[in-house]
Amino acid sequence: AQSVTQLGSHVSVSEGALVLLRCNYSSSVPPYLFWYVQYPNQGLQLLLKYTSAATLVKGINGFEAEFKKSETSFHLTKPSAHMSDEAEYFCAVSEEAAGNKLTFGGGTRVLVKP
Amino acid sequence: GAVVSQHPSRVICKSGTSVKIECRSLDFQATTMFWYRQFPKQSLMLMATSNEGSKATYEQGVEKDKFLINHASLTLSTLTVTSAHPEDSSFYICSASRQLIDEQYFGPGTRLTVT
Repeated sequence: AQSVTQLGSHVSVSEGALVLLRCNYSSSVPPYLFWYVQYPNQGLQLLLKYTSAATLVKGINGFEAEFKKSETSFHLTKPSAHMSDEAEYFCAVSEEAAGNKLTFGGGTRVLVKP
Repeated sequence: GAVVSQHPSRVICKSGTSVKIECRSLDFQATTMFWYRQFPKQSLMLMATSNEGSKATYEQGVEKDKFLINHASLTLSTLTVTSAHPEDSSFYICSASRQLIDEQYFGPGTRLTVT
């Protein structure tokens, strides 16, 4: 069975500072990993995805994530936070195929301080 | 491309009534659609997976007689919450996939409030 753990339900960063959101997964087969962003009362927007190609994945809005098999991690980073980055972020895993059912982590809410 | 819509965006209904939520893939054919629910300040939990023309596969603990899912065409899936109760109040989000090698595309969600 697959599972996802996001460390830290809330993260507060200063504008311009590094954003680091942690995600660890467990999967019995090679995983497909995703990061999504959710703004209040909206659906999910895909930031980036890992599908067994390059381990360093670049996404939209300046975000990137690195797949580390040995650590079963897929942490999300952005070098410089912007006020518009305030949102809820979800890490998710699917097995066997990118379009297969997703298991989500608990989510991390990012607050950006001016 | 790959846009998914949901209707309605918000609905309020009385306890005991049924409500239907539509999920449409606007510019692609979705072989598979998924339904998730999200309680306030919580993560998304998969309710069921539906393939066009087939019965939906429900996750453990989800009552299939209460949450009726129909995927009658490659562009439309519906979720009907039957005999709704206040504890069914939640944010319901659908997603659609063109094929298994493709990612899921999410709808904007439907906020259901049962009074």
